[in-house]
Amino acid sequence: DAGVIQSPRHEVTEMGQEVTLRCKPISGHNSLFWYRQTMMRGLELLIYFNNNVPIDDSGMPEDRFSAKMPNASFSTLKIQPSEPRDSAVYFCASSPDGQETQYFGPGTRLLVL
Amino acid sequence: AQSVTQPDIHITVSEGASLELRCNYSYGATPYLFWYVQSPGQGLQLLLKYFSGDTLVQGIKGFEAEFKRSQSSFNLRKPSVHWSDAAEYFCAVGMIKAAGNKLTFGGGTRVLVKP
Repeated sequence: DAGVIQSPRHEVTEMGQEVTLRCKPISGHNSLFWYRQTMMRGLELLIYFNNNVPIDDSGMPEDRFSAKMPNASFSTLKIQPSEPRDSAVYFCASSPDGQETQYFGPGTRLLVL
Repeated sequence: AQSVTQPDIHITVSEGASLELRCNYSYGATPYLFWYVQSPGQGLQLLLKYFSGDTLVQGIKGFEAEFKRSQSSFNLRKPSVHWSDAAEYFCAVGMIKAAGNKLTFGGGTRVLVKP
């Protein structure tokens, strides 16, 4: 079974550029989560969706960040414009509806120069 | 608001020795508790979880954890560590909502294993 798939695995970009991170959840999972991990702040929940609807986006740091889930098998996290302080590892996770266990993807390591 | 505290940022243990990682939580109801492990450059993998019932929970890779409501703790243990156990470990508490669920993670404990 394929797990959560994230792309790209690594991204290097320059300040001011738009960055799009992609996630394919495990088939049949109804909840999808975006996390950011940094040394300073640890693992932070940015936003999560249930049945493609954003439920809680209180962790999104500012308007430069946006996330979409156009269908049950795809989600994007976009940063526009990117800044060096956005450098982090971004994880996507999914969970079956009614269960609490989240399954994590391998992450996207973002470096903004 | 729920919160999770992992008091130890780093722990160094000799191979073959026992390991205990501490986790304390703050939550207004019966918690759902998890331990995840993250190997370098990898995503998080679930080790074990507690929802209800027996307070001693067995997980993968020989790990176990004990839920102690009176102490608001969910400590992770392993009797004999292997070099491959070197990783970062995260405790998390879950909050179940009508639509989806949400986890709050602790800051993590990095485990180093000495030969």
